[in-house]
Amino acid sequence: QKEVEQDPGPLSVPEGAIVSLNCTYSNSAFQYFMWYRQYSRKGPELLMYTYSSGNKEDGRFTAQVDKSSKYISLFIRDSQPSDSATYLCAMSLSEYSGAGSYQLTFGKGTKLSVIP
Amino acid sequence: DGGITQSPKYLFRKEGQNVTLSCEQNLNHDAMYWYRQDPGQGLRLIYYSQIVNDFQKGDIAEGYSVSREKKESFPLTVTSAQKNPTAFYLCASTSSRGVFGYTFGSGTRLTVV
Repeated sequence: QKEVEQDPGPLSVPEGAIVSLNCTYSNSAFQYFMWYRQYSRKGPELLMYTYSSGNKEDGRFTAQVDKSSKYISLFIRDSQPSDSATYLCAMSLSEYSGAGSYQLTFGKGTKLSVIP
Repeated sequence: DGGITQSPKYLFRKEGQNVTLSCEQNLNHDAMYWYRQDPGQGLRLIYYSQIVNDFQKGDIAEGYSVSREKKESFPLTVTSAQKNPTAFYLCASTSSRGVFGYTFGSGTRLTVV
């Protein structure tokens, strides 16, 4: 079983739809959870981050973490064509970068297309 | 503006050649990373460096080498020992914000011809 599972899609939705993107993970020690957005032929950019369980909202984006189920989600409301990108979940054991176990573990990414 | 610059954007390599990918940052970040991205594979860590003149292997270091002679620079060499080098390579650095402070470059697309 891989550490982080993410459905690669592709996912295609009409403009204005609510989008749900998900990742599951196997290591219960993960504490920090992030969502990155990556446009084609560009580097990923941090979209949202959360610590432990709970919800976090930022504009049209909501990140949810359910540690008991080892499941994280990103919801996009009123999706726009500019949201078309690949969305990568990432997680870490600890907040501080460093040697050993402090790197990010990424999901494979879900490619999203929002059709006008 | 501060950021990470990767060059070149596209690179073509012949079989048996070594090539070096450049990564420069002006963010004053201590930690730098190299990731490889393949379709359907996500990001996999090749090498990382916490300080100058020190670096550690990541999950897929075989066939790659790095150096960290300056804080701002972390070049990656893809050697002829790397059997399947065609991929999108991403350089990143992190600030004191740790895992929430990752900044990625725009990547280098390497193709073996």
